Amino acid sequence: GAGVSQSPSNKVTEKGKDVELRCDPISGHTALYWYRQSLGQGLEFLIYFQGNSAPDKSGLPSDRFSAERTGGSVSTLTIQRTQQEDSAVYLCASSPGGQATYEQYFGPGTRLTVT
Amino acid sequence: SQQGEEDPQALSIQEGENATMNCSYKTSINNLQWYRQNSGRGLVHLILIRSNEREKHSGRLRVTLDTSKKSSSLLITASRAADTASYFCATVGYTGANSKLTFGKGITLSVRP
Repeated sequence: GAGVSQSPSNKVTEKGKDVELRCDPISGHTALYWYRQSLGQGLEFLIYFQGNSAPDKSGLPSDRFSAERTGGSVSTLTIQRTQQEDSAVYLCASSPGGQATYEQYFGPGTRLTVT
Repeated sequence: SQQGEEDPQALSIQEGENATMNCSYKTSINNLQWYRQNSGRGLVHLILIRSNEREKHSGRLRVTLDTSKKSSSLLITASRAADTASYFCATVGYTGANSKLTFGKGITLSVRP
């Protein structure tokens, strides 16, 4: 079956612009995660959605970052007024549920470059 | 912030040799997982070991967990050139409903043909 898909695969934007990154999780997966991978910070958690529960936003680095998950499926990560330090690969993952013992299935990522 | 710290940071071996990668972590965990990443993009889950398990096997992979030392090791036997990738350990803690992964910095494995 189809895996996790993300779009765009690459995004180059000017400093100060807003960007939207999209994630399509595996069908039926109720848990969805966003991570960021950068040279300086490694792989870090951003936000977590599980079913209809309020999302865990504890990893978002600033209020310029927000995410939505519509209808329990597709998720959009929005970065407002992008800064150069936002340049990174943004990875989305989904899992069948929120239990700790589920493996997470990762998408190919979106490489964001802020110039 | 990173929970896991892997060592070595980089490992280069000859095809057919075994590769051993180590990971240490700081806080109590529910489980520890190993992931592989090719070309800096998506991660692939390799193996999960629960906190009450000590050793687990999957094909050419063997993972151990020592909760008293807060450490884990991943052994890849009879390595192949296709095993060349970055390897990450990731822990899942007891943080209520959030099963987020906390990653280490990763190990770059190069397998020479």
